[in-house]
Amino acid sequence: EPEVTQTPSHQVTQMGQEVILRCVPISNHLYFYWYRQILGQKVEFLVSFYNNEISEKSEIFDDQFSVERPDGSNFTLKIRSTKLEDSAMYFCASSKQETQYFGPGTRLLVL
Amino acid sequence: EDQVTQSPEALRLQEGESSSLNCSYTVSGLRGLFWYRQDPGKGPEFLFTLYSAGEEKEKERLKATLTKKESFLHITAPKPEDSATYLCAVQGGGNKLTFGTGTQLKVEL
Repeated sequence: EPEVTQTPSHQVTQMGQEVILRCVPISNHLYFYWYRQILGQKVEFLVSFYNNEISEKSEIFDDQFSVERPDGSNFTLKIRSTKLEDSAMYFCASSKQETQYFGPGTRLLVL
Repeated sequence: EDQVTQSPEALRLQEGESSSLNCSYTVSGLRGLFWYRQDPGKGPEFLFTLYSAGEEKEKERLKATLTKKESFLHITAPKPEDSATYLCAVQGGGNKLTFGTGTQLKVEL
């Protein structure tokens, strides 16, 4: 069964550094998403992406964040100048229609 | 703004003891209500999509129902492997999902 995959599974970075989180969505899906989950809190929407552009973004998704589909299979989230409060699990998801399928997540720790 | 409230926050059941989890929601123009299962340190695993009031979906020991204001996830004769956090999410206008905080279920022998 096709799955969303994410790399790396864990990432530790120093405050102020840039990180890139990578995702391979399910191959015939057209919509791509990033969510995050701070430890002990609910899953929060960051951004959705369709037809090579952002279709929707939350207030969290400010100029510190960017997304890209650099080729036909990968979908990336870049976080510039990381802050301590960016520490969270980041989930990629993809969908063909309404139902979104999530990847296993990248645990980001900012020190 | 879409809102989702789940109750109870935590639930402890004996193996075989059936129960229900509640998801109350407010959304402008429901496109779908979703149930996911999340194991510790893992991503949400899709269970069900419900689109309109009166709809029901079943999978093994789980059954999801939907009204205009809430959804229930019924667990019949649960087993220890059903222990997980169950998440409810709604999709209104746009594609984003708005999640609740989840119900942490523990099934004991």
